[in-house]
Order: sequence, then C-alpha cells, then structure tokens
Amino acid sequence: ETGVTQTPRHLVMGMTNKKSLKCEQHLGHNAMYWYKQSAKKPLELMFVYNFKEQTENNSVPSRFSPECPNSSHLFLHLHTLQPEDSALYLCASSQAGASGTDTQYFGPGTRLTVL
Amino acid sequence: AQSVTQPDIHITVSEGASLELRCNYSYGATPYLFWYVQSPGQGLQLLLKYFSGDTLVQGIKGFEAEFKRSQSSFNLRKPSVHWSDAAEYFCAVGASVISNFGNEKLTFGTGTRLTIIP
Repeated sequence: ETGVTQTPRHLVMGMTNKKSLKCEQHLGHNAMYWYKQSAKKPLELMFVYNFKEQTENNSVPSRFSPECPNSSHLFLHLHTLQPEDSALYLCASSQAGASGTDTQYFGPGTRLTVL
Repeated sequence: AQSVTQPDIHITVSEGASLELRCNYSYGATPYLFWYVQSPGQGLQLLLKYFSGDTLVQGIKGFEAEFKRSQSSFNLRKPSVHWSDAAEYFCAVGASVISNFGNEKLTFGTGTRLTIIP
C-alpha cells in the first residue's frame, strides 16, 4: 500500500450506532488530519494531530471522537450521529504539522450515510 | 483570517480547448497557494503549489498557475484539455505567518466542477 488509505470506503449507519473510520499513511509523515466534505461547501477541517498530539479541534461536536495511536494511524470514532453528518470524510497527512503551509496528501475518503 | 473564492461553480469546455479556472484569495501577507484536483470517488491530489519565487508555477498533468499579487489571484490554466481532466478543482490558501493562535489552517474554496465535451 502506498500513500494514504482509508477504510471503509462506504458506511451506512443508524443514528444509534457506533462505528469507526480508519486512516493509515505510508509516507512517513508526522501530521494527520480529518476533513469533512459536504456538497456545495468548502472542505471543513475537523482535527489535526501533530506527532500524535491533537493540535486542532475545529469546534467539532463531541459525537465525533478522534484517536491517533501513532503517527501512521488515525481513527474517527462515531456515535449518535445525525443525518446532517452524512458526508465524505477525508483523511490527509503532511510532513509536519504546519497545516497552512505543508503539502497535504489525501486519502480517497469514506462516504458516510446516516439514516 | 484568509479566504478563497472560486467564482465558477461549473465550467464546460470542449476536448482540446484551453482552460482557465479562477481563484481569488484574501490574505494579509504572502500566501501559500495550492491547486488540488478531485476525481469522482477519490480524494484530493495536489496539482501544483506556490510559495515564493517565479510567479508562474508548473504542475502535473500539464497544468500551470500564475500568482498575481495585484489581483489577489492564482488562476489555473491548461492549454489543451483531455477528457480525463473532468473532475472537481479546488484552490486553497495557507498562511505564511503564524499568528498568536499557533498553526494556521489551509483554507479551501468551494471548488469548480469541470465537464469535458467531445
């Protein structure tokens, strides 16, 4: 595997379910990101991890819970979601944690549908 | 805080024709500027980036972009499009100056969807 991978690619869940999204980067980077992409809206940065430490939480509701056990893996734990949370969730990584200047490399995303 | 405007939501061009996608940014200092492309069902792929130096930047797949400080623009161009260029294109601006709040974010535009007709 090369680059940034995400699993699952598609996920359908009810509002009472608990699920997790997984991201893995094979680039030797030290920073990882979660973005939400909704139709007709700009990409929304959700979380940033730099050297496994969370450095950004962009006012994300607590029903989204990130976890970064090491610099190569990033998870997004989901619970009690709302239909408006349906979107494409993108993971990205970069060499360091300067998210405004680093080149970010994106995974293919997880298409989440909340029923 | 910085912002990005991509005024064209959807553009249709004929295969072989030239292309220009517009991007305007707002930022107080010299920005870091990026163009990304997203094919259906895929993540974003970097086409090119500008940090400093030559204002005409060459990227992958035959794309180029020109930074014009006086117009606060970073338009993407390609002299002859191919059917495989059909995708969504995102301009993004990042901060070159770290504020008192720490790391600045990469701010994306809303994207321009490109359709290619034979």
